Amino acid sequence: AQRVTQPEKLLSVFKGAPVELKCNYSYSGSPELFWYVQYSRQRLQLLLRHISRESIKGFTADLNKGETSFHLKKPFAQEEDSAMYYCALSPVDSNYQLIWGAGTKLIIKP
Amino acid sequence: DVKVTQSSRYLVKRTGEKVFLECVQDMDHENMFWYRQDPGLGLRLIYFSYDVKMKEKGDIPEGYSVSREKKERFSLILESASTNQTSMYLCASSKSAGAGGYTFGSGTRLTVV
Repeated sequence: AQRVTQPEKLLSVFKGAPVELKCNYSYSGSPELFWYVQYSRQRLQLLLRHISRESIKGFTADLNKGETSFHLKKPFAQEEDSAMYYCALSPVDSNYQLIWGAGTKLIIKP
Repeated sequence: DVKVTQSSRYLVKRTGEKVFLECVQDMDHENMFWYRQDPGLGLRLIYFSYDVKMKEKGDIPEGYSVSREKKERFSLILESASTNQTSMYLCASSKSAGAGGYTFGSGTRLTVV
């Protein structure tokens, strides 16, 4: 079954500490993977996608096909990173649906 | 430059009422989606549409219906609102190819009393 798992519902780290938001997926093919973010009182928005291999707001995510993971990382957390983060998978046989993880709430403590 | 607009930010309705949630996008996207967002449950797909007048059930369609008469507009209808439909409702759109680049609306917080 196709599934995206975010094992942590809540992650709390101190400002300046490294952050890693975990995402594991279950999919037999080669998926597209995404991270979306929702800041307080703002709309959900795309943060990054694995095919772009880019760094957005200091965040990076590497697709590890062997471990079926797509963890989101940032070396030094900032208070403005506090938000809800969702990992999502797009199956290659579907050009419009996303499979979502349950989300991780990230809190950056001052 | 708002691209996906949901008609109401907050709504309070009574049990049994028929409720309409409207969503309009101005990006000429083929695909549109309705999700509900609940703490601890993430995003759950209610319905989606990949073309005008086309609709597909998502994971939790019971108690809901949708309408897409025009490409830019996708309406979610609660036929007879119930308290367990109290939630945040998110509309999103995407192009038909290159999936995953969803654009979301700001959400409608619906409370059914």
